[in-house]
Amino acid sequence: GAGVSQSPRYKVAKRGQDVALRCDPISGHVSLFWYQQALGQGPEFLTYFQNEAQLDKSGLPSDRFFAERPEGSVSTLKIQRTQQEDSAVYLCASSSTAGDTQYFGPGTRLTVL
Amino acid sequence: AQTVTQSQPEMSVQEAETVTLSCTYDTSESDYYLFWYKQPPSRQMILVIRQEAYKQQNATENRFSVNFQKAAKSFSLKISDSQLGDAAMYFCAYTDYKLSFGAGTTVTVRA
Repeated sequence: GAGVSQSPRYKVAKRGQDVALRCDPISGHVSLFWYQQALGQGPEFLTYFQNEAQLDKSGLPSDRFFAERPEGSVSTLKIQRTQQEDSAVYLCASSSTAGDTQYFGPGTRLTVL
Repeated sequence: AQTVTQSQPEMSVQEAETVTLSCTYDTSESDYYLFWYKQPPSRQMILVIRQEAYKQQNATENRFSVNFQKAAKSFSLKISDSQLGDAAMYFCAYTDYKLSFGAGTTVTVRA
């Protein structure tokens, strides 16, 4: 595809609901990253995939957060039992290799009521 | 962990003038990359410019240029001939593989 796409663009969830956020990286990009961006702040790293392998999940804030990339392309970030503090924009980025320039999707704005 | 510091929360510039955004970082690595990203209100993060640490020459992309001082761990961005479309939040970022971002600088352009 022409760029990284994410869906949905906006998600409103009631506290306690589970949500799933999708990322379609640039075709052929091996590396995929998830970031969390609170309002008015810089993005914070969540997790990193190289193909289907999750090589770094050190940024996931709790065990309610889970990410997968089963076929090495599309990735899903799942948040279970959402809390108000999970409200943020979730950004996905991909790069041709680790350390190379990362290209970002438009993000998913999650609001937990 | 690497830290990236942007000490200017906001900067204002007159259209057609020049503005410089500051960034410092901390790392023990010798080989890494530095980036400036732009995030307009639509929130799409866009790459502005990239610098490889092993290159002494400062990167330039049209009206955007950097002043990379490796020993001082400083990486400033200069926007020349500022345009209204340059208004955005600008983030400095460091990477070994994952990006570490600064807090951002909001740039406003006065017509």
